[in-house]
Amino acid sequence: EAEVAQSPRYKITEKSQAVAFWCDPISGHATLYWYRQILGQGPELLVQFQDESVVDDSQLPKDRFSAERLKGVDSTLKIQPAELGDSAMYLCASSFQVSGNTIYFGEGSWLTVV
Amino acid sequence: QKEVEQDPGPLSVPEGAIVSLNCTYSNSAFQYFMWYRQYSRKGPELLMYTYSSGNKEDGRFTAQVDKSSKYISLFIRDSQPSDSATYLCACARPTSGTYKYIFGTGTRLKVLA
Repeated sequence: EAEVAQSPRYKITEKSQAVAFWCDPISGHATLYWYRQILGQGPELLVQFQDESVVDDSQLPKDRFSAERLKGVDSTLKIQPAELGDSAMYLCASSFQVSGNTIYFGEGSWLTVV
Repeated sequence: QKEVEQDPGPLSVPEGAIVSLNCTYSNSAFQYFMWYRQYSRKGPELLMYTYSSGNKEDGRFTAQVDKSSKYISLFIRDSQPSDSATYLCACARPTSGTYKYIFGTGTRLKVLA
């Protein structure tokens, strides 16, 4: 069964350091999402790509977060510098087409900032 | 006010019980409604999605949507300890040529053996 691949699964970093997360969506999925999920809360959208174009990054803290999907396939989310409040799970998801029925998540990347 | 509201629980039930999980939403533009199951430290797993008002059944799971009341439910029959997880509802609405998904906070469910 096709899956959304994410790495690393777990990351511990010191405050003010840089950290990056990688995502490879399900093959053929044009839409890619990065969500952040704080413990005890639901996922919140950070950025959404349609192919290589950003369609929604209104909730992305652009002073420290950046995301790219250069060839419209895999994607990288970067945080620099990391802050204590960035400790959360970062989820990547993808969907086949611009439809509203299903998006599929990866296993997530757990970030702890110390 | 959040667009999607969900009681965080936790909800504890004995094995074999019928579980009812609920969400309300405020935006009538939502068109698709989904339920995800999330085990601890794992990504959400899609359980069911619905488009129209009414019921949709899949094995022990039934999803129900009432668009007039802006209310969505997930019922789990014959609950098992393996159903212990956090259940997230999600609603999708069209925006700028794509869809935006809004998630509830999740309800923690524990099924006791």
